[in-house]
Amino acid sequence: GQQVMQIPQYQHVQEGEDFTTYCNSSTTLSNIQWYKQRPGGHPVFLIQLVKSGEVKKQKRLTFQFGEAKKNSSLHITATQTTDVGTYFCAGGVGFGNEKLTFGTGTRLTIIP
Amino acid sequence: GAVVSQHPSWVICKSGTSVKIECRSLDFQATTMFWYRQFPKQSLMLMATSNEGSKATYEQGVEKDKFLINHASLTLSTLTVTSAHPEDSSFYICSAPGSGRITTEQFFGPGTRLTVL
Repeated sequence: GQQVMQIPQYQHVQEGEDFTTYCNSSTTLSNIQWYKQRPGGHPVFLIQLVKSGEVKKQKRLTFQFGEAKKNSSLHITATQTTDVGTYFCAGGVGFGNEKLTFGTGTRLTIIP
Repeated sequence: GAVVSQHPSWVICKSGTSVKIECRSLDFQATTMFWYRQFPKQSLMLMATSNEGSKATYEQGVEKDKFLINHASLTLSTLTVTSAHPEDSSFYICSAPGSGRITTEQFFGPGTRLTVL
């Protein structure tokens, strides 16, 4: 079945440093979504990418979707303590009410 | 944004008992809902897709007779863990997709932490 892997599994950074997590799918995707889960919380939607090679920015966050629509990345510039949490990518092969396959996640901790 | 609630937020039960978890979409209708299980420090594993008015679709390896899903209305799906055992202890989260045709973000409930003694 479809697998979605993320690296690294854990990342500890000094506050103010940049952070990047990479996501790779075993199959071609129709769309990739990114979610953030704070410790003890539930996943919260960040963004959806649909087009091959698409790049989207949200303030300090930059999201990319690979040309082959099988990989993606999330880059955070100048991390802040509020960025702490686990970042999951989630791949979809359809739209509408189609299910998502969640990646393994990258847990980000910030050293103040 | 859309709000999804879950009840209870946590439950402790004895081995062999059944536990029902409710997932409600509060301000929108959801013909489809998803049930996930998350073990500590792990990812979300999709268990099943709940479809209003029809049978749920279970992922490979998930026992449908053990995890009963009912989606009786457009705002409520329930997951019943039957004859629970300690290995069923986990964080169970439901989600409902938004109504957009292209942007299909999922709105997650706050989760239910199940502990089976």
